[in-house]
Amino acid sequence: DGGITQSPKYLFRKEGQNVTLSCEQNLNHDAMYWYRQDPGQGLRLIYYSQIVNDFQKGDIAEGYSVSREKKESFPLTVTSAQKNPTAFYLCASSIHLEGNEQFFGPGTRLTVL
Amino acid sequence: GQNIDQPTEMTATEGAIVQINCTYQTSGFNGLFWYQQHAGEAPTFLSYNVLDGLEEKGRFSSFLSRSKGYSYLLLKELQMKDSASYLCAVVNRDYQLIWGAGTKLIIKP
Repeated sequence: DGGITQSPKYLFRKEGQNVTLSCEQNLNHDAMYWYRQDPGQGLRLIYYSQIVNDFQKGDIAEGYSVSREKKESFPLTVTSAQKNPTAFYLCASSIHLEGNEQFFGPGTRLTVL
Repeated sequence: GQNIDQPTEMTATEGAIVQINCTYQTSGFNGLFWYQQHAGEAPTFLSYNVLDGLEEKGRFSSFLSRSKGYSYLLLKELQMKDSASYLCAVVNRDYQLIWGAGTKLIIKP
């Protein structure tokens, strides 16, 4: 079964700790994305990657970091520099960057206590 | 700036028809997506329009007018399971997806 997975579904962390959210896809997609979703708001792009070993900042990259060492994996680290990290985080992938349909993982709800 | 406008919330009756509007102002246009998102879940693809006109897919149809910067999603024969948020997203000239805040659709029996 091809798809995109995120783990865990729910994550709790203490303020000041870094936390890494995983995202894996077996769709053989080149492009991967991380979004943040807050209540009543649309998806906001954190980072995206067109290809292995390359990634670009989105609209709200401050306080976040990513890596793309393998085509299948695009982990997101939420650092202590992110002022308001509690949110629903969605990872997505598409065949290429150029406007193709994006497929989403189930999301990770991060709560910072 | 770039923005997508959708109504925040709509209510409709089971079995009826509802139209969810989306207007956009973006730097260029390379297509428009509609996604459905149930609470706490991932968005799932509904439709894609790049040319003007109506695209029909079962109970769901999507319309696009590029000259007016306008799209709508039409849902027919509403079912309780259609209660969800509907997200409009536009692909701009840089092939970035610009997302609307979504329309929460409430279906009443």
